[in-house]
Amino acid sequence: EVQLVESGGGLIQSGGSLRLSCAASGFTVSRDYMSWVRQAPGKGLEWVSVIYSGGTTYYADSVKGRFTISRDTSKNTVFLQMNRLRAVDTAVYYCARDGDRGLDYWGQGTLVTVSS
Amino acid sequence: QSVLTQPPSVSGAPGQRVTISCTGSSSNIGAGYDVHWYQQLPRAAPKLLIYGNDNRPSGVPDRFSGSKSGTSASLAITGLQAEDEADYYCQSYDSSLIGHVVFGGGTKLTVL
Repeated sequence: EVQLVESGGGLIQSGGSLRLSCAASGFTVSRDYMSWVRQAPGKGLEWVSVIYSGGTTYYADSVKGRFTISRDTSKNTVFLQMNRLRAVDTAVYYCARDGDRGLDYWGQGTLVTVSS
Repeated sequence: QSVLTQPPSVSGAPGQRVTISCTGSSSNIGAGYDVHWYQQLPRAAPKLLIYGNDNRPSGVPDRFSGSKSGTSASLAITGLQAEDEADYYCQSYDSSLIGHVVFGGGTKLTVL
């Protein structure tokens, strides 16, 4: 059974850093594309970043230069390192497997609150 | 604003049919990229509802169907049920945003 479990969210002051984790089971993260998607309170879905199976990464303009996506194959886990956080980054962050069938599996999400 | 345009809200009575549109452009839906649809129930993570324009994952009722034509796509829900009340998002890709996933702004479905 495929499962994704995010962790690492919390309350952080503006300008601070957080690292989110997404632990996967039931498949191998290094063989798939993995995306992070966020949802600000009361708002829609916003794609944040993706890491391809080959290691190529892409970022939304809103986070480029501040966020870094990576993975640890030994832990079958994907990470999102978030630096220089701003109030507008406040959101629930989801990780999702990204493939030919779209974002077919999602985690439960982890809440990041940035206080100004 | 979102790359893909959806109506903010739609509504229908139980048993009725509703459709949700997703309008893009020649650089995304019109370029041939697949459209996927997600359902987000209140206080839950999004769930894949339709993939590859018109395919249902295992477990999704056949009351849900998707279609795509030109620069637009649509999600249709027939035999509306109270449990269908949720937010719905379309998603595709864009040739001007290499590697990026693009979403519609979301549509709130209210079952009257």
